[in-house]
Amino acid sequence: DAKTTQPPSMDCAEGRAANLPCNHSTISGNEYVYWYRQIHSQGPQYIIHGLKNNETNEMASLIITEDRKSSTLILPHATLRDTAVYYCIVRVSLYNQGGKLIFGQGTELSVKP
Amino acid sequence: GAVVSQHPSWVICKSGTSVKIECRSLDFQATTMFWYRQFPKQSLMLMATSNEGSKATYEQGVEKDKFLINHASLTLSTLTVTSAHPEDSSFYICSAETTLRRSKNIQYFGAGTRLSVL
Repeated sequence: DAKTTQPPSMDCAEGRAANLPCNHSTISGNEYVYWYRQIHSQGPQYIIHGLKNNETNEMASLIITEDRKSSTLILPHATLRDTAVYYCIVRVSLYNQGGKLIFGQGTELSVKP
Repeated sequence: GAVVSQHPSWVICKSGTSVKIECRSLDFQATTMFWYRQFPKQSLMLMATSNEGSKATYEQGVEKDKFLINHASLTLSTLTVTSAHPEDSSFYICSAETTLRRSKNIQYFGAGTRLSVL
């Protein structure tokens, strides 16, 4: 299973872009990169996922390097409500149904006024 | 996104009793559901993978006789903590994987159940 490495914590000023890095140097060719976040005492919330192309949705952008060994989640205009633990996960496949999500320690993002 | 409902959100029980937690996918069918446990200031730990109509697959170190999982329909999975003890006190979270084409292979999570065993 491909492992991920994230910084344990980051700060970001409200209104500025938050750039959260993730290393996944052992990722396999058919493994996707998923990002979830967990606000205190709640279940994780899906943010975005990608294989090799950059992806954007209403919540964030995901930039994956050409060699796929690392990625960056970008929250374009961070708000106080974005304070959470952000998890970068490489998905282990179970046949064709996706698969297990193995959570690491994540990055605790603190958005400050 | 798809909605996963988990019930109850909070439960207190006496040591030795059993507790059942329900996980429902409200607006989609979920062939596969997952159960996680999270201790304070730790990450989520996968306990088991639940497939509709078949036995659950447990992760190494998780006692299948203690944590009974039933996935009787495409929208409901239950986790029963049998003979609960204080060390089973934790935050239990379920997730369901949608088969909807536009959201294929995305797991959506419930809000979690906080179990306190006295």
